[in-house]
Amino acid sequence: QVQLVQSGAEAKKPGASVKGSCEASGYIFTTYHLHWVRQAPGQGLEWLGTINPKGGSTLYAERFQGRLTMTSDTSTSTVYMELSSLRSEDTAMYYCARGVSLFGATIDPFDMWGQGTMVTVSS
Amino acid sequence: DIQMTQLPSTLSASVGDRVTLTCRASQSISRRLAWYQQKPGKAPRLLIDEASRLESGVPSRFSGSGSGTEFTLTITSLQPDDFATYHCQQYDSNPSTFGQGTKLEIK
Repeated sequence: QVQLVQSGAEAKKPGASVKGSCEASGYIFTTYHLHWVRQAPGQGLEWLGTINPKGGSTLYAERFQGRLTMTSDTSTSTVYMELSSLRSEDTAMYYCARGVSLFGATIDPFDMWGQGTMVTVSS
Repeated sequence: DIQMTQLPSTLSASVGDRVTLTCRASQSISRRLAWYQQKPGKAPRLLIDEASRLESGVPSRFSGSGSGTEFTLTITSLQPDDFATYHCQQYDSNPSTFGQGTKLEIK
């Protein structure tokens, strides 16, 4: 079955960077975009950006431009999300999620989600 | 960015009730609207996309409607498993944005 398995929780100090991973299984890795979505405690969902695992092209939400880097490794069916210059407002659960469109869109709904990686930013 | 507003923020209802949740977009998004259900400590689950297309495995008591800027999610005959938070998402333009969610509580 389709699964997205994310790396474990992280605790970081302000100004540091965090890198999370998301390993996909149960489908052909290069056929769907993968996205990152975060949720601050008690808050709504926020889309960060997406990566096309085939070729590695990315699209980031403008507010994260310059701080966000997404990469993919087709040999391990894993995508990575690195967020730099962390601040307390970045404390959130970070989810990877698969776009619904086969070979498709950069902006999409998400039909499969990872279990989430909690990132806590505190001095 | 397109702003998504969900109403109400909290809704109290009983098992067996019919409820309607609303999602409004700050500009037209055609029918490019999805609904998710989220339970505490869990990732969201996609229920509906294209405003009214039910995902495989989602019970038929869930239905979506709307286009443009006004959308609704209706749940007929609420079941105990339906008490959760519901999020709407527009995917018409970059960045994709979500509403703040409607928490459906047991009355």
